[in-house]
Amino acid sequence: GESVGLHLPTLSVQEGDNSIINCAYSNSASDYFIWYKQESGKGPQFIIDIRSNMDKRQGQRVTVLLNKTVKHLSLQIAATQPGDSAVYFCAENMGGAAGNKLTFGGGTRVLVKP
Amino acid sequence: GAVVSQHPSWVICKSGTSVKIECRSLDFQATTMFWYRQFPKQSLMLMATSNEGSKATYEQGVEKDKFLINHASLTLSTLTVTSAHPEDSSFYICSGLAGEGRETQYFGPGTRLLVL
Repeated sequence: GESVGLHLPTLSVQEGDNSIINCAYSNSASDYFIWYKQESGKGPQFIIDIRSNMDKRQGQRVTVLLNKTVKHLSLQIAATQPGDSAVYFCAENMGGAAGNKLTFGGGTRVLVKP
Repeated sequence: GAVVSQHPSWVICKSGTSVKIECRSLDFQATTMFWYRQFPKQSLMLMATSNEGSKATYEQGVEKDKFLINHASLTLSTLTVTSAHPEDSSFYICSGLAGEGRETQYFGPGTRLLVL
């Protein structure tokens, strides 16, 4: 069945460097994707989203890239800070007909080294 | 915007008792809310979709008589874990649909349940 998966389970990054988190999805019909950040003991926090009619979207220190040809998403965090240490999930919205349910990837843990 | 709260943030109960968890949308009306559970180092697992004024829709394998969901208002959904057992210990998280087009899920802070 459709799924959203991640390539790297853990990413260690030096403070100040850029981070790149990757995600693959399998449903070519999906048109809405979201990245969430989850800190330990907390609920997921919305970071940024992107629709399939875009290939790039920028937020504050974050950029999401969408490559529909290879069904790949990435989240780039610029100048990674200690507060960025968390687990990051990509999520695929299954559409209104499916009640806007989400399919989550397995998560990537980002560890920021001082 | 799109703030969701949960209460309690953590609860410890004895086996066999029931526990109610509240999920509130604070700055938006949520006709649809979702309930998830999450085990350590794992992703979120959808348990059910809660619709205001109607019965919840449960995912395959989730016992509706064990996990009772009530969505009586546009800002409140409750999950009651009935006759809780140690295997029900988990992190329970709710979300509400908000944003433009009401298709973005915003999550609550979660409720840690420990059943002794």
